[in-house]
Amino acid sequence: DIQLTQSPSSLSASVGDRVIITCRASLPINRFLNWYQQKPGKVPQVLIFGASTLQSGVPTRFSGSGSGTDFTLTIDGLQPEDFASYFCQHSHGPPNFGQGTKLEIK
Amino acid sequence: QVHLVQSGAELKTPGASVRLSCKASGYIFLTSGITWVRQAPGQGLEWMGWFSAFNGDIKYAPKFEGRVSLSSDTSANTAYLDLRGLTSDDTAIYYCARYENTGYYYFDYWGQGTLLTVSS
Repeated sequence: DIQLTQSPSSLSASVGDRVIITCRASLPINRFLNWYQQKPGKVPQVLIFGASTLQSGVPTRFSGSGSGTDFTLTIDGLQPEDFASYFCQHSHGPPNFGQGTKLEIK
Repeated sequence: QVHLVQSGAELKTPGASVRLSCKASGYIFLTSGITWVRQAPGQGLEWMGWFSAFNGDIKYAPKFEGRVSLSSDTSANTAYLDLRGLTSDDTAIYYCARYENTGYYYFDYWGQGTLLTVSS
């Protein structure tokens, strides 16, 4: 199984900040990497698929990059509604999720 | 609009089995797949398995092999998850989600979740 390791596991930031979350795969996964946001008590929502393609309706302050084993999710100009948990998920074979990153208000 | 509606909360005793359902609407069921993901209280997302209605493929996460069965009733656009030998560690919210045969297999629509509580 291909494992995903996210860092950091938690992060404090302020409105307007730029935030970067990383996801590292245990083996190369090309660009088969997707990102999700989950707010407390809510269902996860896909933000980015294929490492860098923004899902329809997702604000452009979210962006993704990477290929192979190293990937990043960047949020440029944090908004109050962005404070949530973020998960990466690979689809190079049977999927797995990263352990998550909790983004909190500083 | 795509909707996935899951069955209601369940309370089971240890050792029991449970069947959860996920009814899809708003798209052609046979052109997509349904995956199952669970989330224990305060924990992350855990992939359990998926059923690809477009090619009949069923895969399970190694952790759940032999204890989970996925199936569907295509005439009712409904997917099912059967989980056997329940323990308290199975207490979680269980989500179904749709994925399309795009290659990237991301989960674009999710059900509302079913809370399964396992307790004696």
